[in-house]
Amino acid sequence: GAGVSQSPSNKVTEKGKDVELRCDPISGHTALYWYRQSLGQGLEFLIYFQGNSAPDKSGLPSDRFSAERTGGSVSTLTIQRTQQEDSAVYLCASSLEVVNTEAFFGQGTRLTVV
Amino acid sequence: KQEVTQIPAALSVPEGENLVLNCSFTDSAIYNLQWFRQDPGKGLTSLLLIQSSQREQTSGRLNASLDKSSGRSTLYIAASQPGDSATYLCAVVTGGGNKLTFGTGTQLKVEL
Repeated sequence: GAGVSQSPSNKVTEKGKDVELRCDPISGHTALYWYRQSLGQGLEFLIYFQGNSAPDKSGLPSDRFSAERTGGSVSTLTIQRTQQEDSAVYLCASSLEVVNTEAFFGQGTRLTVV
Repeated sequence: KQEVTQIPAALSVPEGENLVLNCSFTDSAIYNLQWFRQDPGKGLTSLLLIQSSQREQTSGRLNASLDKSSGRSTLYIAASQPGDSATYLCAVVTGGGNKLTFGTGTQLKVEL
Protein backbone atom coordinates (compact mmCIF):
# COMPACT_ATOMS: atom_id res chain seq x y z
CA GLY A 1 0.00 0.00 0.00
CA ALA A 2 0.87 3.66 -0.09
CA GLY A 3 1.65 3.87 3.60
CA VAL A 4 1.67 1.91 6.83
CA SER A 5 -1.87 1.00 7.80
CA GLN A 6 -3.00 0.12 11.33
CA SER A 7 -6.31 -1.16 12.59
CA PRO A 8 -8.36 -0.50 14.54
CA SER A 9 -7.64 3.20 14.99
CA ASN A 10 -9.30 3.12 18.40
CA LYS A 11 -10.02 0.24 20.75
CA VAL A 12 -11.75 0.30 24.11
CA THR A 13 -11.63 -2.95 26.03
CA GLU A 14 -12.45 -4.20 29.47
CA LYS A 15 -9.70 -5.11 31.86
CA GLY A 16 -8.81 -8.77 31.54
CA LYS A 17 -9.82 -9.13 27.89
CA ASP A 18 -7.42 -9.97 25.08
CA VAL A 19 -6.85 -7.57 22.18
CA GLU A 20 -5.24 -7.85 18.75
CA LEU A 21 -3.74 -4.90 16.94
CA ARG A 22 -2.94 -5.13 13.26
CA CYS A 23 -0.24 -3.51 11.13
CA ASP A 24 0.02 -3.61 7.35
CA PRO A 25 3.47 -2.25 6.34
CA ILE A 26 4.54 -0.58 3.13
CA SER A 27 4.78 -3.18 0.40
CA GLY A 28 8.31 -4.55 0.02
CA HIS A 29 9.54 -3.33 3.40
CA THR A 30 11.58 -6.02 5.10
CA ALA A 31 11.59 -4.52 8.56
CA LEU A 32 8.59 -3.89 10.79
CA TYR A 33 8.59 -2.29 14.24
CA TRP A 34 6.14 -1.85 17.09
CA TYR A 35 6.42 1.11 19.45
CA ARG A 36 4.24 2.29 22.31
CA GLN A 37 3.52 5.90 23.20
CA SER A 38 2.09 6.61 26.61
CA LEU A 39 1.77 9.72 28.74
CA GLY A 40 4.89 10.25 30.78
CA GLN A 41 6.83 7.50 28.99
CA GLY A 42 7.30 8.94 25.54
CA LEU A 43 7.84 6.57 22.64
CA GLU A 44 9.32 3.22 23.53
CA PHE A 45 10.43 0.32 21.35
CA LEU A 46 8.61 -2.99 21.77
CA ILE A 47 9.73 -5.45 19.08
CA TYR A 48 10.97 -5.58 15.51
CA PHE A 49 10.74 -8.09 12.70
CA GLN A 50 13.12 -8.86 9.88
CA GLY A 51 10.97 -10.81 7.49
CA ASN A 52 8.92 -13.13 9.69
CA SER A 53 11.46 -13.49 12.49
CA ALA A 54 11.81 -11.24 15.51
CA PRO A 55 15.51 -10.75 16.37
CA ASP A 56 14.72 -8.32 19.17
CA LYS A 57 11.76 -8.59 21.52
CA SER A 58 13.52 -6.80 24.34
CA GLY A 59 10.94 -4.02 24.63
CA LEU A 60 7.91 -6.20 25.28
CA PRO A 61 6.82 -5.21 28.80
CA SER A 62 5.61 -8.63 29.97
CA ASP A 63 4.74 -12.12 28.76
CA ARG A 64 1.19 -10.91 28.19
CA PHE A 65 2.50 -9.21 25.05
CA SER A 66 3.30 -11.15 21.91
CA ALA A 67 3.58 -10.38 18.21
CA GLU A 68 3.84 -12.27 14.99
CA ARG A 69 4.36 -11.50 11.34
CA THR A 70 3.29 -13.70 8.48
CA GLY A 71 4.24 -13.74 4.81
CA GLY A 72 6.78 -11.02 5.46
CA SER A 73 3.91 -8.57 5.53
CA VAL A 74 1.08 -8.12 8.05
CA SER A 75 1.88 -8.17 11.76
CA THR A 76 -0.37 -8.54 14.77
CA LEU A 77 0.43 -7.44 18.31
CA THR A 78 -1.57 -9.36 20.89
CA ILE A 79 -2.06 -8.28 24.47
CA GLN A 80 -3.57 -10.90 26.76
CA ARG A 81 -5.46 -10.15 29.96
CA THR A 82 -5.22 -6.41 29.41
CA GLN A 83 -4.48 -4.12 32.34
CA GLN A 84 -5.15 -0.41 32.71
CA GLU A 85 -1.45 0.37 32.39
CA ASP A 86 -1.58 -1.07 28.87
CA SER A 87 -3.60 1.98 27.79
CA ALA A 88 -1.47 3.80 25.23
CA VAL A 89 -1.09 4.49 21.52
CA TYR A 90 0.55 1.57 19.74
CA LEU A 91 2.50 2.65 16.67
CA CYS A 92 3.78 0.46 13.89
CA ALA A 93 6.58 1.42 11.51
CA SER A 94 8.28 -0.20 8.56
CA SER A 95 11.52 0.36 6.71
CA LEU A 96 13.00 -1.05 3.55
CA GLU A 97 15.84 -2.76 5.37
CA VAL A 98 16.90 -3.28 8.97
CA VAL A 99 20.00 -1.18 8.45
CA ASN A 100 20.16 2.56 8.01
CA THR A 101 16.91 3.24 6.23
CA GLU A 102 14.10 5.68 6.87
CA ALA A 103 11.26 4.50 9.10
CA PHE A 104 7.67 5.24 8.12
CA PHE A 105 4.94 5.15 10.75
CA GLY A 106 1.26 4.32 10.73
CA GLN A 107 -1.41 6.41 12.40
CA GLY A 108 -1.43 4.23 15.48
CA THR A 109 -4.02 2.37 17.50
CA ARG A 110 -5.26 4.11 20.62
CA LEU A 111 -5.97 1.43 23.22
CA THR A 112 -8.03 2.26 26.28
CA VAL A 113 -8.47 -0.37 28.98
CA VAL A 114 -11.40 0.36 31.29
CA LYS B 1 22.14 3.21 27.32
CA GLN B 2 21.35 5.87 24.72
CA GLU B 3 19.41 8.86 26.02
CA VAL B 4 17.96 11.56 23.77
CA THR B 5 17.02 15.00 25.05
CA GLN B 6 15.15 17.75 23.27
CA ILE B 7 15.16 21.39 24.22
CA PRO B 8 12.97 23.32 24.55
CA ALA B 9 10.02 21.16 25.57
CA ALA B 10 7.63 23.76 24.20
CA LEU B 11 8.01 26.80 21.99
CA SER B 12 5.62 29.48 20.80
CA VAL B 13 6.62 31.85 18.00
CA PRO B 14 4.89 34.37 15.73
CA GLU B 15 4.33 33.45 12.11
CA GLY B 16 7.27 34.17 9.83
CA GLU B 17 9.95 33.68 12.45
CA ASN B 18 12.92 31.38 11.83
CA LEU B 19 13.48 28.89 14.63
CA VAL B 20 15.81 26.15 15.83
CA LEU B 21 14.93 22.98 17.69
CA ASN B 22 17.64 21.13 19.54
CA CYS B 23 18.32 17.45 20.06
CA SER B 24 21.19 15.89 22.01
CA PHE B 25 22.15 12.27 22.52
CA THR B 26 24.54 10.66 25.00
CA ASP B 27 26.09 7.93 22.83
CA SER B 28 27.75 9.37 19.74
CA ALA B 29 28.05 5.95 18.04
CA ILE B 30 24.87 6.37 16.03
CA TYR B 31 24.03 5.03 12.59
CA ASN B 32 21.58 7.77 11.72
CA LEU B 33 19.26 10.40 13.14
CA GLN B 34 15.72 11.05 12.02
CA TRP B 35 13.40 14.01 12.65
CA PHE B 36 9.63 13.48 12.78
CA ARG B 37 6.58 15.62 13.33
CA GLN B 38 3.49 14.43 15.14
CA ASP B 39 0.15 16.18 14.91
CA PRO B 40 -2.33 15.72 17.78
CA GLY B 41 -3.91 12.28 17.72
CA LYS B 42 -1.88 11.24 14.69
CA GLY B 43 1.09 9.06 13.88
CA LEU B 44 4.59 10.26 13.05
CA THR B 45 5.54 11.86 9.76
CA SER B 46 9.18 11.51 8.74
CA LEU B 47 10.80 14.85 7.93
CA LEU B 48 14.50 14.20 7.43
CA LEU B 49 16.97 11.34 7.82
CA ILE B 50 20.67 12.13 8.35
CA GLN B 51 23.18 9.32 8.02
CA SER B 52 26.08 9.29 10.48
CA SER B 53 28.50 10.29 7.71
CA GLN B 54 26.44 13.36 6.76
CA ARG B 55 26.51 16.83 8.28
CA GLU B 56 23.11 18.10 7.13
CA GLN B 57 19.98 17.45 5.14
CA THR B 58 17.51 19.89 3.64
CA SER B 59 13.89 19.60 2.60
CA GLY B 60 12.05 22.75 1.64
CA ARG B 61 12.03 25.13 4.61
CA LEU B 62 13.61 22.51 6.86
CA ASN B 63 17.31 22.01 7.46
CA ALA B 64 18.70 19.47 9.87
CA SER B 65 22.32 19.38 10.95
CA LEU B 66 24.26 16.67 12.73
CA ASP B 67 27.39 16.96 14.85
CA LYS B 68 27.93 13.34 15.80
CA SER B 69 31.07 13.87 17.87
CA SER B 70 29.35 16.31 20.20
CA GLY B 71 26.07 14.37 20.21
CA ARG B 72 23.92 17.15 18.82
CA SER B 73 21.44 17.81 16.05
CA THR B 74 19.41 20.87 15.21
CA LEU B 75 16.30 21.28 13.11
CA TYR B 76 16.03 24.72 11.53
CA ILE B 77 12.61 25.84 10.30
CA ALA B 78 12.61 28.92 8.07
CA ALA B 79 9.72 31.35 7.79
CA SER B 80 7.46 29.42 10.15
CA GLN B 81 3.75 29.03 9.37
CA PRO B 82 0.75 28.09 11.53
CA GLY B 83 0.69 24.74 9.71
CA ASP B 84 4.07 23.95 11.23
CA SER B 85 2.43 23.70 14.66
CA ALA B 86 3.03 20.16 15.90
CA THR B 87 5.30 18.14 18.16
CA TYR B 88 8.74 17.55 16.69
CA LEU B 89 10.61 14.41 17.67
CA CYS B 90 14.16 13.41 17.01
CA ALA B 91 15.27 9.80 17.15
CA VAL B 92 18.59 8.01 16.76
CA VAL B 93 19.59 4.52 15.73
CA THR B 94 22.32 3.04 17.90
CA GLY B 95 23.24 -0.58 17.30
CA GLY B 96 21.64 -3.14 15.06
CA GLY B 97 18.12 -3.52 13.83
CA ASN B 98 17.41 0.09 12.91
CA LYS B 99 15.60 0.56 16.25
CA LEU B 100 14.86 4.16 17.11
CA THR B 101 15.46 5.79 20.47
CA PHE B 102 13.25 8.86 20.73
CA GLY B 103 13.57 12.16 22.48
CA THR B 104 10.62 13.55 24.42
CA GLY B 105 9.81 16.09 21.74
CA THR B 106 9.38 19.84 21.31
CA GLN B 107 5.81 21.09 21.10
CA LEU B 108 5.78 23.98 18.63
CA LYS B 109 3.02 26.52 18.23
CA VAL B 110 3.20 29.09 15.45
CA GLU B 111 0.77 31.92 16.04
CA LEU B 112 -0.85 34.26 13.53
